[in-house]
Amino acid sequence: EAGVAQSPRYKIIEKRQSVAFWCNPISGHATLYWYQQILGQGPKLLIQFQNNGVVDDSQLPKDRFSAERLKGVDSTLKIQPAKLEDSAVYLCASSGRGGGQNEKLFFGSGTQLSVL
Amino acid sequence: SQQGEEDPQALSIQEGENATMNCSYKTSINNLQWYRQNSGRGLVHLILIRSNEREKHSGRLRVTLDTSKKSSSLLITASRAADTASYFCAPAGGKLIFGQGTELSVKP
Repeated sequence: EAGVAQSPRYKIIEKRQSVAFWCNPISGHATLYWYQQILGQGPKLLIQFQNNGVVDDSQLPKDRFSAERLKGVDSTLKIQPAKLEDSAVYLCASSGRGGGQNEKLFFGSGTQLSVL
Repeated sequence: SQQGEEDPQALSIQEGENATMNCSYKTSINNLQWYRQNSGRGLVHLILIRSNEREKHSGRLRVTLDTSKKSSSLLITASRAADTASYFCAPAGGKLIFGQGTELSVKP
């Protein structure tokens, strides 16, 4: 089966610019996650969707970050305006039946963002 | 917090040796998961151990869980150069939260 697809693979922007990342989860997976991974750290959950509804966005900096999952499939994560500290790898993950507590996550390869 | 803390932060061994990584957490959990991340890639799920299990095996991997001590360990036996990666534990109570990881280097 096809894995989680993310694009672009790399992105370089200047501070105060905007950027968007795209994720296509594994077909049929109801739950989609966006994680931010700063170099040398573990992934930090930004937002979790169940179908097209938000389950958890408690750590999403809502003044500059936004995410949507229209039709409960693909998702986009946007940063506007970007700051230097947003430089990180943005990982998308999905899980199957309903984001239950005993499910494993499937990750995409991530988008590496550099903000100059 | 529910976040796991891995120990050691870095581990360097020779091919063929065993590698042991530890994870501690602070809250009650439903399960604990281990993931591997190769440089520049996403995380890959290795193994899930439920809170009522004490030990689980998968190939060269052995995971233990001690809920009374709120700790888990991941043992990789007969390590290979291809095992070089970062390893993360993720205790799962409500949501999955990753620790800082153990960076494993296996030298040929």
